[in-house]
Amino acid sequence: GEDVEQSLFLSVREGDSSVINCTYTDSSSTYLYWYKQEPGAGLQLLTYIFSNMDMKQDQRLTVLLNKKDKHLSLRIADTQTGDSAIYFCAERGNQGGKLIFGQGTELSVKP
Amino acid sequence: SAVISQKPSRDICQRGTSLTIQCQVDSQVTMMFWYRQQPGQSLTLIATANQGSEATYESGFVIDKFPISRPNLTFSTLTVSNMSPEDSSIYLCSGTQGGPEAFFGQGTRLTVV
Repeated sequence: GEDVEQSLFLSVREGDSSVINCTYTDSSSTYLYWYKQEPGAGLQLLTYIFSNMDMKQDQRLTVLLNKKDKHLSLRIADTQTGDSAIYFCAERGNQGGKLIFGQGTELSVKP
Repeated sequence: SAVISQKPSRDICQRGTSLTIQCQVDSQVTMMFWYRQQPGQSLTLIATANQGSEATYESGFVIDKFPISRPNLTFSTLTVSNMSPEDSSIYLCSGTQGGPEAFFGQGTRLTVV
């Protein structure tokens, strides 16, 4: 079945760039997503990318997609302490709107 | 974009009882989903809530344990039946409107004691 994998932890210094990586197995993915979850909160959609794109930029966020290698990354420029959260990668196949989530990457930003 | 209001936001329940979680969307959504997030884990899809018909359950989830209703295009409920401590999780509903965006409620944090 479909699978999405992420590294579990990332620690960066404030002001540095963060890069969170994700790999997936479903070759029929239509969209790929990045969600942010702060402690005790729900899921906030950060950005998404259509599977026939290779890059999308939105303010401090840059998403890169390598469809051949089924690799997705999220780069956060000038990382702030408020960016500390768990970041989930998710993919959507071509059967309905359900999402398959990765395990989440806990980003810790140190001052 | 759609805003999904989910309630209750949290609850502590006795084992053997049932809890019904409600999701209300401020605009029509074509598809609605229910996910479970066990402590420290990722989100797992429980089922797709189908309007006016029985929900479509994922492997490992059954209707007797997680009955779902979806009477119209803006409302759905999930019931967690005959609860045990293993059901302690965050339950989230999600909706899509035919486009790429998938919206989530704030989640219901359930603790079973």
